Amino acid sequence: AQSVAQPEDQVNVAEGNPLTVKCTYSVSGNPYLFWYVQYPNRGLQFLLKYITGDNLVKGSYGFEAEFNKSQTSFHLKKPSALVSDSALYFCAVRDIGGTSYDKVIFGPGTSLSVIP
Amino acid sequence: NAGVMQNPRHLVRRRGQEARLRCSPMKGHSHVYWYRQLPEEGLKFMVYLQKENIIDESGMPKERFSAEFPKEGPSILRIQQVVRGDSAAYFCASSPPAGDTQYFGPGTRLTVL
Repeated sequence: AQSVAQPEDQVNVAEGNPLTVKCTYSVSGNPYLFWYVQYPNRGLQFLLKYITGDNLVKGSYGFEAEFNKSQTSFHLKKPSALVSDSALYFCAVRDIGGTSYDKVIFGPGTSLSVIP
Repeated sequence: NAGVMQNPRHLVRRRGQEARLRCSPMKGHSHVYWYRQLPEEGLKFMVYLQKENIIDESGMPKERFSAEFPKEGPSILRIQQVVRGDSAAYFCASSPPAGDTQYFGPGTRLTVL
């Protein structure tokens, strides 16, 4: 069965510093990987996804994520954090196992606080 | 292209009443997913529907909860005889038939008094 872990409940970073939000996954087949962001009292917004190809994926708002197959990780990164990046971040994985229905599983979320 | 629409945005019900949550997917999307988010918790999958079919309801409580996605009209998540523990934010997402990315609505925040 597939699973997603986000080992940090909370990440604090100073404005202007690089940020990393970690995600590891477990699948039996090939993974499709996603990052979403949720601002307070809002729905989830799609940031980026990895399907195949280049391991470094660029997404919205200057975010990027690197797919690392050997470490089964898909960490979200941004070179310079903004206060407005403060939000809840969800990693998700879809296990492409060759069946007609591949469920997407969401991680528990990581709360990012960017300190001015 | 309008995004995923959910209504109402806020819903208050007394214990024992029924709650009916609506979701209109993005244009061209025929797959709908419902999730529940409790305060300070993550996103819990409830049900996945295609037009007139329930594909996966493994996350739905066995009693009081039901969902439908009729041929015409929005998807409906129905909670009968609500209890205080049903208070949560309920999110709907949609995706196109061959798509892999889910797009989320703004959510319905249910409060049970």
